[in-house]
Amino acid sequence: KAGVTQTPRYLIKTRGQQVTLSCSPISGHRSVSWYQQTPGQGLQFLFEYFSETQRNKGNFPGRFSGRQFSNSRSEMNVSTLELGDSALYLCASSLVRAGGDEQYFGPGTRLTVT
Amino acid sequence: KNEVEQSPQNLTAQEGEFITINCSYSVGISALHWLQQHPGGGIVSLFMLSSGKKKHGRLIATINIQEKHSSLHITASHPRDSAVYICAVDRGNQFYFGTGTSLTVIP
Repeated sequence: KAGVTQTPRYLIKTRGQQVTLSCSPISGHRSVSWYQQTPGQGLQFLFEYFSETQRNKGNFPGRFSGRQFSNSRSEMNVSTLELGDSALYLCASSLVRAGGDEQYFGPGTRLTVT
Repeated sequence: KNEVEQSPQNLTAQEGEFITINCSYSVGISALHWLQQHPGGGIVSLFMLSSGKKKHGRLIATINIQEKHSSLHITASHPRDSAVYICAVDRGNQFYFGTGTSLTVIP
């Protein structure tokens, strides 16, 4: 079975721009969660999607949004980028629920905002 | 205040040593996860626990719900165990992460 894939792997953007990251879960997995990892804050939960609906959300501003498609693929969008948004963005998929099931992580997208 | 505290932050061990990483949390949880992150960023889920003890090969994870504490043990450590180990707690609608323990195993 193919693992979780994320595209692109690396991205450089300028302050004020917006960015869209993509995550393809393991086949059959319906839950996709997104995380931000920075040296200062560590890993932080962004949101979880299940069956095209955002089910849970972390403490991030509205500039961070996401969606999930009918094939369970998910995208996250960050608008009006700030320098502090530079981070490794990870997605993870699980069968039904992020907390109740094993999570499988993708390799991440490293975003640099200049 | 961090909801999840890990110790130690850094750990260096000789190959073959028994290693313990501790995780304490302050909130009610439905499950606790131990994650392993290698240089380059890839994260692997090692254990998901809601009670008791689990074992995979040389790795053992325990949790005491009453004391809000979990431990990850590595027996007969090996240089390939060198990684960052992260404790994460699931509150049902929110995940909280520890800051991680950076482990280096020297041959």
